[in-house]
Amino acid sequence: GQSLEQPSEVTAVEGAIVQINCTYQTSGFYGLSWYQQHDGGAPTFLSYNALDGLEETGRFSSFLSRSDSYGYLLLQELQMKDSASYFCAVRDGTGRRALTFGSGTRLQVQP
Amino acid sequence: GAVVSQHPSWVICKSGTSVKIECRSLDFQATTMFWYRQFPKQSLMLMATSNEGSKATYEQGVEKDKFLINHASLTLSTLTVTSAHPEDSSFYICSATGFSGQETQYFGPGTRLLVL
Repeated sequence: GQSLEQPSEVTAVEGAIVQINCTYQTSGFYGLSWYQQHDGGAPTFLSYNALDGLEETGRFSSFLSRSDSYGYLLLQELQMKDSASYFCAVRDGTGRRALTFGSGTRLQVQP
Repeated sequence: GAVVSQHPSWVICKSGTSVKIECRSLDFQATTMFWYRQFPKQSLMLMATSNEGSKATYEQGVEKDKFLINHASLTLSTLTVTSAHPEDSSFYICSATGFSGQETQYFGPGTRLLVL
């Protein structure tokens, strides 16, 4: 089966940098995705890593190490609007594109 | 980017009634749609995979006779919660993917169901 672990909560101040880690166990691996979800809203796609290394998209970067079954999401120049829950996710081990989500990390950005 | 809509966004119903939730891909053809459920402060849990023109595939523990899924066209999937009970109160979210090889899933805005 699939399982992902990530911290439940992280707190940081505006302008800071925060890293949200994710470790996973999967029966098959098709890449690690990250989603952002604001309270009451639906998840929105942030990034996807299929290969080892760092992917950068503006203030957000995502890293993957397949040998360590580990990835992280890096958020720079934090803004208040970044307060949300962040989920790492992997595809189903059979190759279906359904996602298994981690339990989510609630990020609180303080002034 | 691709847009997925859901209707209704909010529904309140009495116990024992059935509720239909629609999920539409507005500007692309979704060969596959997924239905997830999310309880407060929890993660999204996959309920079923909906393929156009074929029967849905349900996850273990999800009652297919209670959660009826129909994917009649490449742009529409529906989830019907039959004989809803208070424990079915949740946030139901659909997502859609287009062509194979496209990794991104596009999520609908979700439907919040409250069963009294």
